[in-house]
Amino acid sequence: DAGITQSPRHKVTETGTPVTLRCHQTENHRYMYWYRQDPGHGLRLIHYSYGVKDTDKGEVSDGYSVSRSKTEDFLLTLESATSSQTSVYFCAISESAGPSGNTIYFGEGSWLTVV
Amino acid sequence: TQLLEQSPQFLSIQEGENLTVYCNSSSVFSSLQWYRQEPGEGPVLLVTVVTGGEVKKLKRLTFQFGDARKDSSLHITAAQPGDTGLYLCAAGGADGLTFGKGTHLIIQP
Repeated sequence: DAGITQSPRHKVTETGTPVTLRCHQTENHRYMYWYRQDPGHGLRLIHYSYGVKDTDKGEVSDGYSVSRSKTEDFLLTLESATSSQTSVYFCAISESAGPSGNTIYFGEGSWLTVV
Repeated sequence: TQLLEQSPQFLSIQEGENLTVYCNSSSVFSSLQWYRQEPGEGPVLLVTVVTGGEVKKLKRLTFQFGDARKDSSLHITAAQPGDTGLYLCAAGGADGLTFGKGTHLIIQP
C-alpha cells in the first residue's frame, strides 16, 4: 500500500464552521490530489498540487482551499462548511504522468458530515 | 474534461458466471485505467491500457482497449464473491484523472 495517511478519518461538524482535512504521504511523490466521492456523481477532483506551493483548481473547487507547504503534506480546508459538502474525501498521490498515464494511489478516505 | 460513461451501473450475478462491463467516451484517450474500490476504502489500480486494441489479462480479469481508443471493457470469467466491488474507469494526465461513475458489481455465492 502507498504510504498515504488521511486525518481525521471521520468528522461531524456544524454548518458554518471551518474544517481542515490533512493528507500525509511518505512516498515523496510530486503530485497530490483531493477528490470527493458522492452517490450519483462518482469521484470528482477538488484541487491538486504539482509541487510545494503549486496548486490548481479541479472540477468542484468552489468552497474549498488547499495548501502545500511541504512535499509530504496537502491540506484541504472548508472555510465555512455547508451540508452540500457532506461527502467522502479522498487524497491521492502520483509520482509522474507519462505516456502510460497517470497512476494515482488513493488514501483510505475521510468521512465528513456537516449538520 | 473527458466524459466517461460506464455501463451497467449495477450488476448482480451468481458465482461462476461471466460478465462484461463497459467504459465509453466520445473522446480519444491516450491511456485508460481501471480501478476497483471496496466499501470503506480508496480505489486501487487494476490496469492501465495504452495502445488501441490492447488486451491485458489479470488472472480472471481481461481488459480490452478499443481500436479507436475511445472505449474499454472489463471481462470477468467465473466470477467469485471476492470480485464484488465498484469498478471505475479513469483517464487523464498530471492535472488529475477523470473518473466514470462506476459499475457496482455484486457476486452472490
